[in-house]
Amino acid sequence: QVQLVQSGAEVKKPGASVKISCKASGYTFSSYYMYWVRQAPGQGLEWMGLINTSGGSTAYAQKFQGRVTVTRDTSTRTAYMELTGLRSDDTALYYCATELNSGPDHWGQGTLVTVSS
Amino acid sequence: DVFMTQTPLSLSVTPGQPASISCKSSKSLLHSDGKTYLYWYLQKPGQSPQLLIYEVSNRFSGVPDRFSGSGSGTDFTLKISRVEAEDVGVYYCLQLLQLGAFGQGTRLEIK
Repeated sequence: QVQLVQSGAEVKKPGASVKISCKASGYTFSSYYMYWVRQAPGQGLEWMGLINTSGGSTAYAQKFQGRVTVTRDTSTRTAYMELTGLRSDDTALYYCATELNSGPDHWGQGTLVTVSS
Repeated sequence: DVFMTQTPLSLSVTPGQPASISCKSSKSLLHSDGKTYLYWYLQKPGQSPQLLIYEVSNRFSGVPDRFSGSGSGTDFTLKISRVEAEDVGVYYCLQLLQLGAFGQGTRLEIK
C-alpha cells in the first residue's frame, strides 16, 4: 500500500535551518508530484510548495520563496523539504503528500518542527 | 494569488441532520483543460488530512456517499447528507489552479 514516512521531530534555534525527509513506498515515486503543507499549532493548513519528482522542477508559495527548497532523490524514493532562517512562527507540523490521482491524496504522518531559543 | 474563503468557520450538527460548507475563491478555478481544481479535505483530531472530494464533485476512494461536492467557477459547496459522529473534525477546501491555497477551515462538531 502507499506509504509516506517522514523523519522525526526537530528542535531548532532561531536562524537555523531544518531539512525534513519523506520516504515513499508502494507506488512509482518518480511518476507523481509531492506536496509540502504545514500546520502551526491550533491553526489551519498552509500550502508550501511542490516538486515534480520526475524532472525535479519545483514551485513554491510566495510566502516561502527564498527560504524553502524541495528536492528529491529518486534512488531512495525520498523527497526533502529544507526551510532556512527559522523563526518562532515556523513552529509547525510539516506534512508531505503525494498525488496519485488528482490532488494530494496520500499524506505522511507529519514532522513537528519546534523553533525555540 | 488565489484566496479561498470558507463559511461558516464552525458548525454544530445533530447526528442524522445535513451539513453544508461553502468555499469561495478569488478567481475562477476552471482551467483551460476543462478541469476545475478544487478539493475538499477532512482533518480528524490528531490525524493527517484526508481527501474527500477531488475536482469539485468526485468522491475519493472509500469516501461514503453521504459526502458530495458541487459548484463551479468561484463558488463551491461540500454537503454531508446525514452527519455521523465520525465526521467530526475540520474541513478544508484547497485550490490547485495556481500553486495552492487552503481555505481557513470549518470545524464541525456534533450536538
